[in-house]
Amino acid sequence: DTAVSQTPKYLVTQMGNDKSIKCEQNLGHDTMYWYKQDSKKFLKIMFSYNNKELIINETVPNRFSPKSPDKAHLNLHINSLELGDSAVYFCASSQQTDSPLHFGNGTRLTVT
Amino acid sequence: AQSVTQLDSHVSVSEGTPVLLRCNYSSSYSPSLFWYVQHPNKGLQLLLKYTSAATLVKGINGFEAEFKKSETSFHLTKPSAHMSDAAEYFCVVSDRGRNAGNMLTFGGGTRLMVKP
Repeated sequence: DTAVSQTPKYLVTQMGNDKSIKCEQNLGHDTMYWYKQDSKKFLKIMFSYNNKELIINETVPNRFSPKSPDKAHLNLHINSLELGDSAVYFCASSQQTDSPLHFGNGTRLTVT
Repeated sequence: AQSVTQLDSHVSVSEGTPVLLRCNYSSSYSPSLFWYVQHPNKGLQLLLKYTSAATLVKGINGFEAEFKKSETSFHLTKPSAHMSDAAEYFCVVSDRGRNAGNMLTFGGGTRLMVKP
């Protein structure tokens, strides 16, 4: 019974394609996030979603669009994939702001 | 503004010897501080957190960290390293004065290697 699960674990695709990564949490948390971890292990927040309010990081290209059908799910859709999108994407959740995060195991996206 | 600096990108210790992973932070408000561990091909797992209670914080797997406001440091220690401690460690600051959600700032990570 994984707390934060994301699928797929690996995703290999070509430039220009559109892809989605799914995330689900069964912890009853109100807040969910997407993080991007680059090849140097640097982690950067992309989005946070709290009780249906989306907080967008202004440095994220608008090709990235999160979608939350309910508070247990936060999916990430990426349009027109580029080589620089290759990274590991982590979904996370927390009970409230300033609470510790629970992370999924990551999705390794490779764009060729 | 807040920032986190992990002073060592790699640390190598022998099994059974002490571990010290260094972290310095800056924050405009009273921060919350965390250490997370990431094992290969896994998500990050919380080791411990500081949220303005006791300055010496004990975490899982024998790790602890001490919040030193005068030094703006939050170094992670363990008395005796185990092979299973080999992983990437992230120091994280949360600026509780900010209202834009839980905007954490991650350090660049320290890779801990444990030699037999």
